[in-house]
Amino acid sequence: QAVLTQPSSLSASPGASASLTCTLRSGINVGANKIYWYQQKPGSPPQYLLKYKSDSDKQQGSGVPSRFSGSKDASGNAGILRISGVQSEDEADYYCMIWQSRVSVFGGGTKLTVL
Amino acid sequence: QVQLQQWGAGLLKPSETLSLTCSVYGGSFSGYYWSWIRQPPGKGLEWIGEIDHSGSTNYNPSLKSRLTISIDTSKNQFSLNLSSVTAADTAVYYCARDLDGEIDHWGRGSLVTVSS
Repeated sequence: QAVLTQPSSLSASPGASASLTCTLRSGINVGANKIYWYQQKPGSPPQYLLKYKSDSDKQQGSGVPSRFSGSKDASGNAGILRISGVQSEDEADYYCMIWQSRVSVFGGGTKLTVL
Repeated sequence: QVQLQQWGAGLLKPSETLSLTCSVYGGSFSGYYWSWIRQPPGKGLEWIGEIDHSGSTNYNPSLKSRLTISIDTSKNQFSLNLSSVTAADTAVYYCARDLDGEIDHWGRGSLVTVSS
């Protein structure tokens, strides 16, 4: 079982909200982890969006619009990236990441299509 | 403005050693971890490892036996060596800066192809 599991694809309409999930493997507690989110567009390196551990421990990346936000679903042991008011420019691959004892692990990525 | 410029051989034969170097321009070289991350064509990201300015390293356990990451603070450069490559090591390799777990600056990426 992968450490981090993301749905391979998600579609959203312009102006709608999109929630991208990142489920942690059983035995790894989402509450104890900071979840990092990255956006990658074709032909470019990933860009850091934000990190989220709790509402009191979170940070937006420099220049990242506030419509990108992080949260957690404790019952589902998952981190969530929420995009409010989806725009066509948000069409990209999104990766979650955690650190486990100074070893980083990425999720498999979600391709967001804006229809 | 921090910039990372990377270079190295783009075509290797199986069993050869992959070598890439990344130069850092602008900003401080100390106080950060300097990372390597790769992405096979059409696939997701894989963290390779990192090094700080003192030479302390952290490696992906799946690559550790073949991996060496080194640093030259006099040149603001860090390097990746991956030995005994196979086709499975074909990927775009990125160098990057890690600040407190946040990978905030990335190189443009180098495509390394392993083929006989």
